[in-house]
Amino acid sequence: AQSVSQHNHHVILSEAASLELGCNYSYGGTVNLFWYVQYPGQHLQLLLKYFSGDPLVKGIKGFEAEFIKSKFSFNLRKPSVQWSDTAEYFCAVNSEYGNKLVFGAGTILRVKS
Amino acid sequence: GAGVSQSPSNKVTEKGKDVELRCDPISGHTALYWYRQSLGQGLEFLIYFQGNSAPDKSGLPSDRFSAERTGGSVSTLTIQRTQQEDSAVYLCASSLSKPAYNEQFFGPGTRLTVL
Repeated sequence: AQSVSQHNHHVILSEAASLELGCNYSYGGTVNLFWYVQYPGQHLQLLLKYFSGDPLVKGIKGFEAEFIKSKFSFNLRKPSVQWSDTAEYFCAVNSEYGNKLVFGAGTILRVKS
Repeated sequence: GAGVSQSPSNKVTEKGKDVELRCDPISGHTALYWYRQSLGQGLEFLIYFQGNSAPDKSGLPSDRFSAERTGGSVSTLTIQRTQQEDSAVYLCASSLSKPAYNEQFFGPGTRLTVL
């Protein structure tokens, strides 16, 4: 069965610091990869996704993620975080013909102003 | 346009009672999903509907859980004889067909508390 692990449950950063959130998945076949974000009091929304092609994917609000197939990883990065990036971030995986997203446990990011 | 809506937003019930949670997907989305988010955990898949096909029920945790989707649109998740461990946020999502390649749009969730 597929599983997703996110390495850090809580991350606290100061504004302008760089961010990297780890995500590893277990599935040997072709996968589609997603990062979702949930801002306080808001719905889950898509940050970025990878299906194929360039393994470096750019999303909204300056976020990017790199798919490294050999490491089964899809880490999320942002060069300089803002206070408004405070949210919970979820990595998710779907197999090529899968019906469902398998989510990691989430990482709560708090950015201090 | 309207997003995915869910009702009620909050539900408090007593152990042993039945509850119904409702989801209205985005118009035109043929795929509908239910997930459960428990405190400190990620989202757990419950069930998936695609058009008129038989639903994928592989994530339902017990036979107390059931869901239906009427007319290919609105869906209802029913939990019978609720238990305290059923307390969680229940999220509904919808997407265009071919779920593997389409973004899932999430609703605001229903927070269920079983006393």
